[in-house]
Amino acid sequence: GENVEQHPSTLSVQEGDSAVIKCTYSDSASNYFPWYKQELGKRPQLIIDIRSNVGEKKDQRIAVTLNKTAKHFSLHITETQPEDSAVYFCASTLYSGGGADGLTFGKGTHLIIQP
Amino acid sequence: ETGVTQSPTHLIKTRGQQVTLRCSSQSGHNTVSWYQQALGQGPQFIFQYYREEENGRGNFPPRFSGLQFPNYSSELNVNALELDDSALYLCASSPGGLAGGEQFFGPGTRLTVL
Repeated sequence: GENVEQHPSTLSVQEGDSAVIKCTYSDSASNYFPWYKQELGKRPQLIIDIRSNVGEKKDQRIAVTLNKTAKHFSLHITETQPEDSAVYFCASTLYSGGGADGLTFGKGTHLIIQP
Repeated sequence: ETGVTQSPTHLIKTRGQQVTLRCSSQSGHNTVSWYQQALGQGPQFIFQYYREEENGRGNFPPRFSGLQFPNYSSELNVNALELDDSALYLCASSPGGLAGGEQFFGPGTRLTVL
């Protein structure tokens, strides 16, 4: 089955700096790659996603890049703010259009924004 | 439009008991997936229901079973509870179809097995 590895497990950055979280996946057939943010005691929230027909996607301070050849994708957060502090999870799946498919998650990155 | 809801919020059971968790999908979504999230870990896929049928299953034993109803709400049943079943159980709904794939999570049910 699919395996997703995520690095680093903890990332501490100064407020205003950029943060980058990286993930690799094993199944070359995977075609959908979402990122979730989970604050303590709360539900995972979808913050951005990318499909395999696109190499990069941006939404304000957040961007995701995908390298299908190398089977890795990354989350980039610019101008970090205290409210960005949370655990971030990458995930992957093969989405076939007939309902969603089970996501395989990475182990998470605890992002700490230092004031 | 309402989001994904789950009940109960918290539950305490003893080893060997059975439990049923419930999930109401977001309006317009026909797919529900269930995940188990142990403390400090990423969610692990249990199974998924699409139009009332099981549409995929992760690496969980048969004592984890489920149902989806005509209104697309869903239940997760766990029999013969074990201590390791203590976790946050999340359901996620998805609209399906060509524009689908996105999964939106409920707040979860925290299950403690003593």
